[in-house]
Amino acid sequence: GAVVSQHPSRVICKSGTSVKIECRSLDFQATTMFWYRQFPKQSLMLMATSNEGSKATYEQGVEKDKFLINHASLTLSTLTVTSAHPEDSSFYICSARDVALIYNSPLHFGNGTRLTVT
Amino acid sequence: DAKTTQPPSMDCAEGRAANLPCNHSTISGNEYVYWYRQIHSQGPQYIIHGLKNNETNEMASLIITEDRKSSTLILPHATLRDTAVYYCIVRGRSNFGNEKLTFGTGTRLTIIP
Repeated sequence: GAVVSQHPSRVICKSGTSVKIECRSLDFQATTMFWYRQFPKQSLMLMATSNEGSKATYEQGVEKDKFLINHASLTLSTLTVTSAHPEDSSFYICSARDVALIYNSPLHFGNGTRLTVT
Repeated sequence: DAKTTQPPSMDCAEGRAANLPCNHSTISGNEYVYWYRQIHSQGPQYIIHGLKNNETNEMASLIITEDRKSSTLILPHATLRDTAVYYCIVRGRSNFGNEKLTFGTGTRLTIIP
C-alpha cells in the first residue's frame, strides 16, 4: 500500500530556532500534499496544501511566513517552522494522494512529527 | 464542506462487532464518506470509503443510508488493537479548489477485554 514517511518523528528545539520537517511519498508520486497540526486532545487541523512546483496555499489564520512549505518534487514536501516558539509545540502530520489514482482515492498519512519548543 | 457528527466515545467488548455511527445530513451528491482512525501518537490510518453503496474490505464494512445522511462503520470482530479515535469525514474541496479532508472530533472507541 501507499506509504508516506515523515522525518524526524520527534524533535526538540530551542525557542527562536527553525525546524524542518520532511514528508515523502515512498512508492507513489504526489502533486499535492497536505500539512496538518494537532494539539493535545484535539483533532487534526489543516494548515496548508502543498503543490508541487508552485506556491503552497494556506488555511485562514496560518502564517505563511512562519510555516514555510516547499514541494520541490513529486515525492517530497517540507515544512519549516521558522523562529519557533513554545506555542508552536504540536504534532505535525502530512498526507498525500497518489497522482495516478482517481479523485476519490484516499489520502495517506505520515506518522507525524512531534515538535517540542523549549 | 458537509460537517459530520459522531458520538464522542464508545466502548465495545473484545470479539464483538463495533458499530460506529456518523451523521452527515448536509452531504452533497458527489461527496464521499471516508473513515480513518488514529491510534495514539500516530498518523491517521485509512479504513474505508464510499459514495452510495455499502462497502467492505479486510478491515471493516461501511453502511450508508439510502438518503446518504448517515453512515455506520462496522468492525466485525473488535480486538484491543482497534482502540483508537475514529474519524468520519466527508471529502470536500478547499477554497483553493484542492480536495482536502476536514477532521471533526471523532469517536474514541475503547475495546474492553
